[in-house]
Amino acid sequence: STELSQPLSVSVALGQTAKITCEENKIGLKSVHWYQQKPGQAPVLVIHRDSNRPSGIPDRISGSNSGNTATLTITRVQAGDEADYYCKYWDSGTVVFGGGTKLTVL
Amino acid sequence: EVQLVQSGAEVRKAGESLKISCKGSEYSFSNYWIGWVRQMPGKGLELMGTVYPGDSEIRYSPSFQGQITISCDKSISTAYLQWSSLTASDTALYYCVRLKGGSATGVGFDLWGQGTPVVVSS
Repeated sequence: STELSQPLSVSVALGQTAKITCEENKIGLKSVHWYQQKPGQAPVLVIHRDSNRPSGIPDRISGSNSGNTATLTITRVQAGDEADYYCKYWDSGTVVFGGGTKLTVL
Repeated sequence: EVQLVQSGAEVRKAGESLKISCKGSEYSFSNYWIGWVRQMPGKGLELMGTVYPGDSEIRYSPSFQGQITISCDKSISTAYLQWSSLTASDTALYYCVRLKGGSATGVGFDLWGQGTPVVVSS
């Protein structure tokens, strides 16, 4: 099945800014959602429809989507942000997930 | 608390049947689509299909059509995922999810169950 392209891993120093990308041709025309999955836990929706934060998600987490790349940005990274991050969009009534990016906080 | 609570871990042998459940609470279960998401060991997420409890409309993702059965009983706010004949490749963690805002497509999954591990031995 189709899978969005995400880097396998991203490393960032504590307190710095992490950017996780999700690439596909003309993804900017799609509505992208982002999920955070910490070890041993269910995923959590952190960005809805490109750039909207659900209630309870800190404003350190933001999203953007344009051209061929959707981006999840986490500023002032904390140890608790270490997790797998998945992007997703809907295509013809079904879902396409990215393969996931492991964010490591150094 | 608004939540989805799933049934417990299952261990089965290949060829056996299985039905797992997902119960919603503290929200209007009938008005939100429920989906089932598979996560195979060490792998990513896959949507298997969705169901609308209000009228039991079911939509299967192409990769899972014919392999599973999704159903629900709105009277007890519960959705189900079942297999008639399991294989070792069905070993995975299965999550039920709620689709945000009552929409059928195009939205995020804003509520997740805790996951049901299924292990199938060959």
